[in-house]
Amino acid sequence: AQTVTQSQPEMSVQEAETVTLSCTYDTSENNYYLFWYKQPPSRQMILVIRQEAYKQQNATENRFSVNFQKAAKSFSLKISDSQLGDTAMYFCAFNPQGGSEKLVFGKGMKLTVNP
Amino acid sequence: EAQVTQNPRYLITVTGKKLTVTCSQNMNHEYMSWYRQDPGLGLRQIYYSMNVEVTDKGDVPEGYKVSRKEKRNFPLILESPSPNQTSLYFCASRPRQLSFSSQHFGDGTRLSIL
Repeated sequence: AQTVTQSQPEMSVQEAETVTLSCTYDTSENNYYLFWYKQPPSRQMILVIRQEAYKQQNATENRFSVNFQKAAKSFSLKISDSQLGDTAMYFCAFNPQGGSEKLVFGKGMKLTVNP
Repeated sequence: EAQVTQNPRYLITVTGKKLTVTCSQNMNHEYMSWYRQDPGLGLRQIYYSMNVEVTDKGDVPEGYKVSRKEKRNFPLILESPSPNQTSLYFCASRPRQLSFSSQHFGDGTRLSIL
C-alpha cells in the first residue's frame, strides 16, 4: 500500500525567512504524481505545486519549490521569503498513474509564519 | 464561476438519522471524489467516480454510499450515521484529460454526529 509520511507536525518561521517542509512516501510504482496542498484557516484546499515522477527537474512556482529525490522517495517543499499568508496546514499527497483516481495524503503539517 | 458546491456547510445530527451531503460541480468534470479530514490523519479518500454510473471505493468507504446518476452531482449518503463519522468532508472534481493539477475542491462540510 502506498503511504505518505510528514514527520513534522508543526513548524514556525519568521516572516521573510526560508522554511523546508519534509515529506517521504512509499510506493513500488515507477510513475506517479506528487503534490503539496495548502489549507489556510478558511479550510479551502489549494494546490501549491506538483511534480511528475518521470521529470528529473524540480518543480518551482514563484516562492515555492520542491526537492524531489526519487531514489530516496523524498519530496520536500521549500518556501522562500515566507509571508504571513503562508500560515496554513500543508499536506503532501501522492497519486499513482495508470488511470487511478486514488489520492493518498500525508497527515499534514501546521506552519506558522510570525511577524 | 467554476466551482464545486457542497451542502450543507455545517450539520449537527444524531446517531442513526440518515443524511445526505450534496456535491455539485459546474465544470462538466468526469472525475469526482469524496474525502474526510480528521485531525492528525490528514485527508482520506472515501469514494470516487470516474464517470456517470461508475464509482469505486477509496481507503475508508465503510458506512458511506455514493451515487453518480448525473455528471454534475455526486452525493455522499450516510445511511445510519455514527459518532465516528464526525468529520470535515470535502468533495473534489477534475476533468479526465488533465492530471491532478486541475482538481477543484469544495469548501467542505462539517458534520457532527451526536
